Amino acid sequence: KAGVTQTPRYLIKTRGQQVTLSCSPISGHRSVSWYQQTPGQGLQFLFEYFSETQRNKGNFPGRFSGRQFSNSRSEMNVSTLELGDSALYLCASSSPRRGPGATTDTQYFGPGTRLTVL
Amino acid sequence: KNQVEQSPQSLIILEGKNCTLQCNYTVSPFSNLRWYKQDTGRGPVSLTIMTFSENTKSNGRYTATLDADTKQSSLHITASQLSDSASYICVVSDGAAGNKLTFGGGTRVLVKP
Repeated sequence: KAGVTQTPRYLIKTRGQQVTLSCSPISGHRSVSWYQQTPGQGLQFLFEYFSETQRNKGNFPGRFSGRQFSNSRSEMNVSTLELGDSALYLCASSSPRRGPGATTDTQYFGPGTRLTVL
Repeated sequence: KNQVEQSPQSLIILEGKNCTLQCNYTVSPFSNLRWYKQDTGRGPVSLTIMTFSENTKSNGRYTATLDADTKQSSLHITASQLSDSASYICVVSDGAAGNKLTFGGGTRVLVKP
C-alpha cells in the first residue's frame, strides 16, 4: 500500500508570491490534515479536510487555504508569501469517523514539502 | 489553553544505553496520547497510541507510559541504537468534536557510538 505522497518536496519562492502544495493520501483514507513545522514553533495544525469539506481549522491567517478533491487528494495554497512562511509543510491522512485524533485512527504523515521564502 | 510540554529539549546518549523522555499535558477533555518519531527531513511516524485506560504500551524497544491522573507520559527507549537518533513528539487529542491534536515541541535525541 503506497504511503502519503507530497509534491513538490522542495520549493523556493520569493516574498509576495503564492504557492500550491499537493498531497495524495493513502488509498481509502478520506481525511487529510495539513501542518506547518518550524524550528521555533514545532508542529502546528493548519486545517483538516474530510470528504471535500474543511472540518477543522487552526489559527493561521486567511492567506493559508486548502481544498480537497473527490479522490481525497488535497492541495494547500499560501498567498502573498512572507519570510516567516518558510517551513516544512506536512500532510497526514487517516480514515477517521471523528477527526484526526480519534482513538481508532493512526495518522500517517507524508515526507513533507520544504518551502523556503527568500 | 491546551498545552503539551516535553522535556528535555535535547538529549545525547551512548549507543546501548537507555533513556526516558517526558511529556506533561493540560489538554482537556483527554482522549488519547500519541508518541511519534521524526527522522530529520522526514514526516513523523507513529510509535504508540494510548487511551485513558491504558497505562503502558510497547512497540519494540519503545515503551510508553501514561498517568492520566497527573497528566504525564513518558517514552522509554531501551538499548538505544544509532537509528534512534531523531525527534520524538508527544501529541494529545482533546476528545472533543473533531478530536483536535495538540503537539509538544519534541525532544531531539542523538545516539552516539
